[in-house]
Amino acid sequence: QVQLQESGPGLVKASETLSLTCTVSDGSISSYYWSWIRQPPGKGLEWIGYIYNSGSTNYNASLKSRVTISVDTSKNQFSLKLSSVTAADTAVYYCARGRALGIWGQGTMVTVSS
Amino acid sequence: QSALTQPPSASGSPGQSVTISCTGTSSDVGGYNYVSWYQQHPGKAPKVMIYEVSKRPAGVPDRFSGSKSGNTASLTVSGLQAEDEADYYCSSYAGSNNLVFGGGTKLTVL
Repeated sequence: QVQLQESGPGLVKASETLSLTCTVSDGSISSYYWSWIRQPPGKGLEWIGYIYNSGSTNYNASLKSRVTISVDTSKNQFSLKLSSVTAADTAVYYCARGRALGIWGQGTMVTVSS
Repeated sequence: QSALTQPPSASGSPGQSVTISCTGTSSDVGGYNYVSWYQQHPGKAPKVMIYEVSKRPAGVPDRFSGSKSGNTASLTVSGLQAEDEADYYCSSYAGSNNLVFGGGTKLTVL
């Protein structure tokens, strides 16, 4: 059974870059769409973007100028970078597999501090 | 792209059926058969319950069903059980490789 695990700093300073990694276990990262989704405390889900075909990407238009998603097939990982963060970027960040988001990681809380 | 519209809350008694709607536009829900529904219990990651409008992943009870009419998709939970109490989110493909979520619906089992 494929498992996803997010990792990265839980605290990021305002104006800096948030960096997270999703490690894929018991499955290849070389196919499927791989997504990042976030959920601010007490709020709904927001799709950030995805990477597919081992390199093509698509991002939420509202975040596009600040987001980069990349993949490292040798490590079976894909990553998220979100630049110039503010308090509004404080959220639980999830990674997920597939266009239907069929498998999710457990999520990781990231707090942006001033 | 704008978020899909869901009612903030829904409720039903054990054994009853409840339907949650998800309204979009012809550019998302109405334009593609790629609507999914997710269940999220407090402090947990979302879990897909329905994909491609009406398909159920393995292991999801057949009490959960999905449908679509025009720009509105619906999730019906039949034979409500206490464990169904959770937040439910819809999502839809929105063209040009974009995805959009609904605002979420809190389902209460009375």
